Amino acid sequence: KQEVTQIPAALSVPEGENLVLNCSFTDSAIYNLQWFRQDPGKGLTSLLLIQSSQREQTSGRLNASLDKSSGRSTLYIAASQPGDSATYLCAVCALYGQNFVFGPGTRLSVLP
Amino acid sequence: GAGVSQSPSNKVTEKGKDVELRCDPISGHTALYWYRQSLGQGLEFLIYFQGNSAPDKSGLPSDRFSAERTGGSVSTLTIQRTQQEDSAVYLCASSLALEGSEQYFGPGTRLTVT
Repeated sequence: KQEVTQIPAALSVPEGENLVLNCSFTDSAIYNLQWFRQDPGKGLTSLLLIQSSQREQTSGRLNASLDKSSGRSTLYIAASQPGDSATYLCAVCALYGQNFVFGPGTRLSVLP
Repeated sequence: GAGVSQSPSNKVTEKGKDVELRCDPISGHTALYWYRQSLGQGLEFLIYFQGNSAPDKSGLPSDRFSAERTGGSVSTLTIQRTQQEDSAVYLCASSLALEGSEQYFGPGTRLTVT
């Protein structure tokens, strides 16, 4: 059974810092991995999707990497801004499964 | 085009009542997922639909939960004889195809069972 964990559970940084969020999964037989952000009381917004054959994806200040063999993904946020404050979730789609398994999320606070 | 929409946005119901939650996926998306997010918990998969195939109901927590998708578009999640532990945010997502395509989420329905 696929299990997804995220470290840290919460993170507070001053504005302008670069930061890394971590996601680990137990079964490396995945189709892809997706990073989301969730604002309080809102649904999820997709940030980046990495296919299993890819090593990384970039969108603006965000960069996500994937090391399938070690069961890890990182989300790098450059020059953090207060607007980046949210909960960040990773989700893996198993290669032989039929749904996404989500991690518990990392709650990020960027202080002005 | 429009994103995934869900209704109602909030629902308060008494214990023992039945509730129906609605999801309108993005037009053309063949896959539709329902998740539940309890307070302080991660997302829990409930059910997904792909085209005309039989839905995967493996995540439904009990037989009080059911879902249908009419005409391959709108989906309704029904909870019968609601219990207080059913209180959560119910999220719907859709995607173009089943095999790991990017999911797009609706804003969710916050269900409170009193």
